[in-house]
Amino acid sequence: DAGVIQSPRHEVTEMGQEVTLRCKPISGHDYLFWYRQTMMRGLELLIYFNNNVPIDDSGMPEDRFSAKMPNASFSTLKIQPSEPRDSAVYFCASSFRGAAGELFFGEGSRLTVL
Amino acid sequence: QKEVEQDPGPLSVPEGAIVSLNCTYSNSAFQYFMWYRQYSRKGPELLMYTYSSGNKEDGRFTAQVDKSSKYISLFIRDSQPSDSATYLCAMRRNQGGKLIFGQGTELSVKP
Repeated sequence: DAGVIQSPRHEVTEMGQEVTLRCKPISGHDYLFWYRQTMMRGLELLIYFNNNVPIDDSGMPEDRFSAKMPNASFSTLKIQPSEPRDSAVYFCASSFRGAAGELFFGEGSRLTVL
Repeated sequence: QKEVEQDPGPLSVPEGAIVSLNCTYSNSAFQYFMWYRQYSRKGPELLMYTYSSGNKEDGRFTAQVDKSSKYISLFIRDSQPSDSATYLCAMRRNQGGKLIFGQGTELSVKP
């Protein structure tokens, strides 16, 4: 299996622009998570889905952030408009309920907002 | 107060040393406890997993959970330069669902 696939790996954009991050989870996994990692705050859960349905979005910072999962093999995290404080590494992870604690992470999308 | 507290380090030790990494937590409902390892510019990978209290050993790694003290530990024996990474504790209330991470401790093992 190819693992969790994220794109783009790196994104540099200017303040005010729209940013879309993409994720393909591992086939057969029924949970999908979006995390954000910064030096100051560590790894923060933004939102997670179960069977394509958003379960908990309490970690989404504000209305500028939105996430969708239109089908079992694709999810997007969108930031509109982007701000410099959104600069971080964004990770997507997937898991299977029967596998207790193991989340499989992608390589991350490193976002820089100038 | 964060639900999970972890000293970010950095921690530097000589090769062969015993390393002790720790986390405390506030939510007594947590039942599943994990340690993830993250190499530079990579995603975290599961290293150890423990359900409820007790010890678990896997090679040079031992995970301990003390639910009465809300404290978990990871011990690395005979540490190697290849162990240099960031170690993140993580925990959740039940199977599936929300996994909460500590901030991570950056470990450097010097040859």
